[in-house]
Amino acid sequence: RKEVEQDPGPFNVPEGATVAFNCTYSNSASQSFFWYRQDCRKEPKLLMSVYSSGNEDGRFTAQLNRASQYISLLIRDSKLSDSATYLCVVNPGDMRFGAGTRLTVKP
Amino acid sequence: SAVISQKPSRDICQRGTSLTIQCQVDSQVTMMFWYRQQPGQSLTLIATANQGSEATYESGFVIDKFPISRPNLTFSTLTVSNMSPEDSSIYLCSGLRDTGYGNTIYFGEGSWLTVV
Repeated sequence: RKEVEQDPGPFNVPEGATVAFNCTYSNSASQSFFWYRQDCRKEPKLLMSVYSSGNEDGRFTAQLNRASQYISLLIRDSKLSDSATYLCVVNPGDMRFGAGTRLTVKP
Repeated sequence: SAVISQKPSRDICQRGTSLTIQCQVDSQVTMMFWYRQQPGQSLTLIATANQGSEATYESGFVIDKFPISRPNLTFSTLTVSNMSPEDSSIYLCSGLRDTGYGNTIYFGEGSWLTVV
């Protein structure tokens, strides 16, 4: 089993839709979790951290489920500009990224 | 965030030659890493750049092919040696920084390498 696994995608959704991605991890001792966004031919950029109690940043909500060992990212009211690949990172000290989930938001 | 700059941003290289990529980070960065991302693929960790000592390589990557230096805390180089078309990729320098919520990784803008 891979250390970090993501929904393979691609996700193709219309503008305004709500979309959610999951990322599972194998190391139960993992302590810190992040979502990154990578645009085509660009470097990954930090989107948001994932806190134990869940956290929200505008249209984006991140949640952690320790019992089932996964994190999720929910995007509400999708915009065309949300089209990108979303990567999860678990325990940055281990330097392991998920393979990424590609999202395309269409008019 | 952390400031990480790489150069060159892109290059086209002849088969059999070598190219060195430079990476400069700000003083808040503790650890430095090098990644490769081939077209349409996910990020692959090449190695951890250790200050003043040999880098720690991941499985499938060797020092002869990807020599790495880190002479001080804020600077590292990655050399791609004896290049072949299969080395065409984006190479990303990254740094780890404690943001208060544990360590967070930041990336340079990447070096796009095309081998012809």
